[in-house]
Amino acid sequence: DAGVTQSPTHLIKTRGQHVTLRCSPISGHKSVSWYQQVLGQGPQFIFQYYEKEERGRGNFPDRFSARQFPNYSSELNVNALLLGDSALYLCASSLEGALNLFFGSGTQLSVL
Amino acid sequence: AQTVTQSQPEMSVQEAETVTLSCTYDTSENNYYLFWYKQPPSRQMILVIRQEAYKQQNATENRFSVNFQKAAKSFSLKISDSQLGDTAMYFCAFMYNAGNNRKLIWGLGTSLAVNP
Repeated sequence: DAGVTQSPTHLIKTRGQHVTLRCSPISGHKSVSWYQQVLGQGPQFIFQYYEKEERGRGNFPDRFSARQFPNYSSELNVNALLLGDSALYLCASSLEGALNLFFGSGTQLSVL
Repeated sequence: AQTVTQSQPEMSVQEAETVTLSCTYDTSENNYYLFWYKQPPSRQMILVIRQEAYKQQNATENRFSVNFQKAAKSFSLKISDSQLGDTAMYFCAFMYNAGNNRKLIWGLGTSLAVNP
């Protein structure tokens, strides 16, 4: 079975642009979470979605938004990119109520 | 507020030896879970081991074991018979219930190098 897949793997944008990151969960997993990992730090929680509904939101500005589709895949959108948005964006999926998260390999976003 | 502290930014160990990575946390929650994740150069975060706070017995997964001291809020990871493939960033993480979801708080990580 395929694991969590994220696309693209790498992305370069300039300040002010917007970006869309995509995530496909493990088959059967209905919960998807997004994390931002700045170089040299641990991941920071951005969003969690379950059954297309937002279950949780971290301390990120409104420039960050996400959604989950009927097939449980998810998109993370970031508008008006800032240099500080440069980071590895990780997606994780899980079964509802499960403790263990399964992560993808992330999207490395560079904002110039 | 929940916090996780990993006081060792970098560690190294010789192949086949044992190494212990430290983690402390702060919380007022009674029901929570603790994790160690490994992040190799491939960047994928991989679960190493999990400990439920209500369990007194320390978790063990093959060469990986934890020393969970609830009163001291300490959660260290011991890697026995270290292998070259254990070289990675190791993150300690704390999970608690927050409304209708669970939140996962991460430490800054410890970079472990296993030397041949």
